[in-house]
Amino acid sequence: AQSVTQPDIHITVSEGASLELRCNYSYGATPYLFWYVQSPGQGLQLLLKYFSGDTLVQGIKGFEAEFKRSQSSFNLRKPSVHWSDAAEYFCAVGAYGNQFYFGTGTSLTVIP
Amino acid sequence: DTEVTQTPKHLVMGMTNKKSLKCEQHMGHRAMYWYKQKAKKPPELMFVYSYEKLSINESVPSRFSPECPNSSLLNLHLHALQPEDSALYLCASSPGDPRSVSSDTQYFGPGTRLTVL
Repeated sequence: AQSVTQPDIHITVSEGASLELRCNYSYGATPYLFWYVQSPGQGLQLLLKYFSGDTLVQGIKGFEAEFKRSQSSFNLRKPSVHWSDAAEYFCAVGAYGNQFYFGTGTSLTVIP
Repeated sequence: DTEVTQTPKHLVMGMTNKKSLKCEQHMGHRAMYWYKQKAKKPPELMFVYSYEKLSINESVPSRFSPECPNSSLLNLHLHALQPEDSALYLCASSPGDPRSVSSDTQYFGPGTRLTVL
């Protein structure tokens, strides 16, 4: 069965520090993987996606993610976090019929 | 332009009211989606429209009635809702055909915050 796990419910980092948000998936075929960000009361904004090819994917706002098939992971990284990055982050796998399976989300707090 | 718009932004309704949520996209996308999202939870899929036809209904109560009048517009008609239906309702669209075996990017609107009294 398809599923996505985000092990960290909440992460706090200092502004300027590096960030890594973890995502593990379970999917029988080639996964289509996505990271979305959601600010309070807002919709989901696409940060980046992986369909095939280079396993290191660059996204918007300075984010990147690395697909590791052997570890079934698609972790999101940013070298230097800004206060405006505080938000909820969702990892998702796109399955047959374009149905998305979302992780439970990771809430990011950025302290000055 | 990858914009999905939703109106209204906020809606307060009583349990006997009838209201509608509206979603528009002008990207030529063939698939449109309704999601319900409770606070601190991921979005839950409600309905999928493919080429203006309802293709997925995730066992949603009949008090929610979707409608797709044309390829750019998606409505969600609400009637006799319960307080537990209060949530953020998100619309999304994607270019590809959901009936295919592959997946595609979904683009989300800003949502409608619904409160049922």
